Amino acid sequence: QSVLTQPPSVSAAPGQKVTISCSGSSSDIGNNYVSWYQHLPGAAPKLLIYENNKRPSGIPDRFSASKSGTSATLDITGLQTGDEADYYCGTWDIGLVARVFGTGTKVTVL
Amino acid sequence: QVQLVHSGADMKKPGASVKVSCKASGYMFSSFDINWVRQATGQGLEWMGWVTPNSGNTGYAQKFQGRVTMTADISIKTAYMELSSLTSEDTAVYYCARSFTGVEKGVDYWSQGTLVTVSS
Repeated sequence: QSVLTQPPSVSAAPGQKVTISCSGSSSDIGNNYVSWYQHLPGAAPKLLIYENNKRPSGIPDRFSASKSGTSATLDITGLQTGDEADYYCGTWDIGLVARVFGTGTKVTVL
Repeated sequence: QVQLVHSGADMKKPGASVKVSCKASGYMFSSFDINWVRQATGQGLEWMGWVTPNSGNTGYAQKFQGRVTMTADISIKTAYMELSSLTSEDTAVYYCARSFTGVEKGVDYWSQGTLVTVSS
């Protein structure tokens, strides 16, 4: 069902950086803002980024994101063990007239 | 603070319907959309649709059209999602989540989720 493609997993040592990509098309990412979500096991998903690169109050600046054309990227710097979670991109698809999420990326801290 | 709280977990038999509630607090319920998102075990997030409490307007993912109904009762700040003709593939954690009406700013508050199990 997902129309946004993410790598299944990424990993890095504590303190290092990971980058998660999100690939879409002209009907979704190419035509709307991208959001990013962190989903810890057993918890409610949390909004990390909205409008491509803005952080809600309380989200540390270790989380940053960008968008270019039909792709988006989430960077996590200064990786911490507490960052181990699944991460999803999301946007609105004007063709489907639906909200769409990415396939999800599991971040592992080595 | 913003909170979205479900009724308890539910178990249904195949072919039955389930109605999940989502009670909101801490914000003006009528001013935001409520989205419904589900996650089956080992799977990703799957958007099901939205309801605008103020107008009752809805939008459903194509996959669920004809099988899902989303409503909201402003007087008790509660949104509902009813899914019919259940199969085992509907076994999932169901979330309700808030988003801005008419503006794409993501989904900013989510419930803890409620488990719906479909089993004979």
